Amino acid sequence: AQKVTQAQTEISVVEKEDVTLDCVYETRDTTYYLFWYKQPPSGELVFLIRRNSFDEQNEISGRYSWNFQKSTSSFNFTITASQVVDSAVYFCALSGGIIQGAQKLVFGQGTRLTINP
Amino acid sequence: KAGVTQTPRYLIKTRGQQVTLSCSPISGHRSVSWYQQTPGQGLQFLFEYFSETQRNKGNFPGRFSGRQFSNSRSEMNVSTLELGDSALYLCASSWGTDSSYNSPLHFGNGTRLTVT
Repeated sequence: AQKVTQAQTEISVVEKEDVTLDCVYETRDTTYYLFWYKQPPSGELVFLIRRNSFDEQNEISGRYSWNFQKSTSSFNFTITASQVVDSAVYFCALSGGIIQGAQKLVFGQGTRLTINP
Repeated sequence: KAGVTQTPRYLIKTRGQQVTLSCSPISGHRSVSWYQQTPGQGLQFLFEYFSETQRNKGNFPGRFSGRQFSNSRSEMNVSTLELGDSALYLCASSWGTDSSYNSPLHFGNGTRLTVT
């Protein structure tokens, strides 16, 4: 069975601090995809990044960066120089297999991030 | 390009009633998925439709059903509502084809259902 664990339920930091959100996953699939989504108070889940199991290259997008380590089954997300607008709930998710579009995501419980001014 | 549209945004129903939620995907997207979000269980997959066929199903009772129309719009129905069905129901769309199975899901704002 697939499982995603986000051990940090809530994180609170002061603006401009760097913050890392942890994500650990379990899967028996050899091909799978990992995602991060952001959920602001409006409720909509906003797609941030997708990473496939064959690409362990880290990625940086502006203040956001992602560290994928297959050896430890982790896909951590770092926000550099955090801003108040980064406050939201962040979800890590996993989709497995290649059959039928693999549109079924397994989500972690989410990490509520609060950036204080 | 318009995003995923869900209607209505809010619903209040009574136990035992049934409810229908609607989702219009992003133009061109053929896959529509539904998720239930509750404080206790988090985000859980309900089902996915592709080309009017249910392609994946989560672990929910038969009271939860859905369908997809030829224009890819989707509806989900919950019959005999229970208090525990109170949740945010999120719809997501994607290309969904096998050649792009890794295409990310684009979510709507959700329908918040309250059962009293």
